[in-house]
Amino acid sequence: AQTVTQSQPEMSVQEAETVTLSCTYDTSENNYYLFWYKQPPSRQMILVIRQEAYKQQNATENRFSVNFQKAAKSFSLKISDSQLGDTAMYFCAFMKHVIQGAQKLVFGQGTRLTINP
Amino acid sequence: NAGVTQTPKFQVLKTGQSMTLQCAQDMNHNSMYWYRQDPGMGLRLIYYSASEGTTDKGEVPNGYNVSRLNKREFSLRLESAAPSQTSVYFCASRFQGWGATEAFFGQGTRLTVV
Repeated sequence: AQTVTQSQPEMSVQEAETVTLSCTYDTSENNYYLFWYKQPPSRQMILVIRQEAYKQQNATENRFSVNFQKAAKSFSLKISDSQLGDTAMYFCAFMKHVIQGAQKLVFGQGTRLTINP
Repeated sequence: NAGVTQTPKFQVLKTGQSMTLQCAQDMNHNSMYWYRQDPGMGLRLIYYSASEGTTDKGEVPNGYNVSRLNKREFSLRLESAAPSQTSVYFCASRFQGWGATEAFFGQGTRLTVV
């Protein structure tokens, strides 16, 4: 079974700093997808960034980028120039690619990130 | 655009009572999911479904049943609620195909079992 581990329950940085959230996963699959979701206090789940395992290039979305290390099974999220609105729970998620049947989407425990003014 | 709609948003049950959480999506997605969120444990998958009439167990299926009667709706039933089922429940849907397609989530249902 695939598992996702986020080893940092909480993190706190000052506004405008750069912060990196860690995520590791366990799988024997070669084709899979990885995601980072953000959950602000409103409880809404928002996709931040996604990565397809067959792509070697790390995904980037504005201030958000990932460091995808396939051999190490690591998928960290870097937030540059952090803003107060980045304060939220961040979840790493894994999904195995399957041709038939349901694609199971598995989440980590989450990291609570606080951006301080 | 409605997206994923969950009802109710809040519910208090007594131990042993039953209830059904409703979820509907209007994005023509094929895959749907039910999760529970508890402090320190992230989102844990209860059940998921690839299409109408098919369901699969997730990580924590005990005490729950699901029904995927059509493509739009995926309901979660608690037959005999227990305090351990106090949680926030999320329904999600996504288009299953090639690529890392995004999952869209409902607003969640906060369930308290006393």
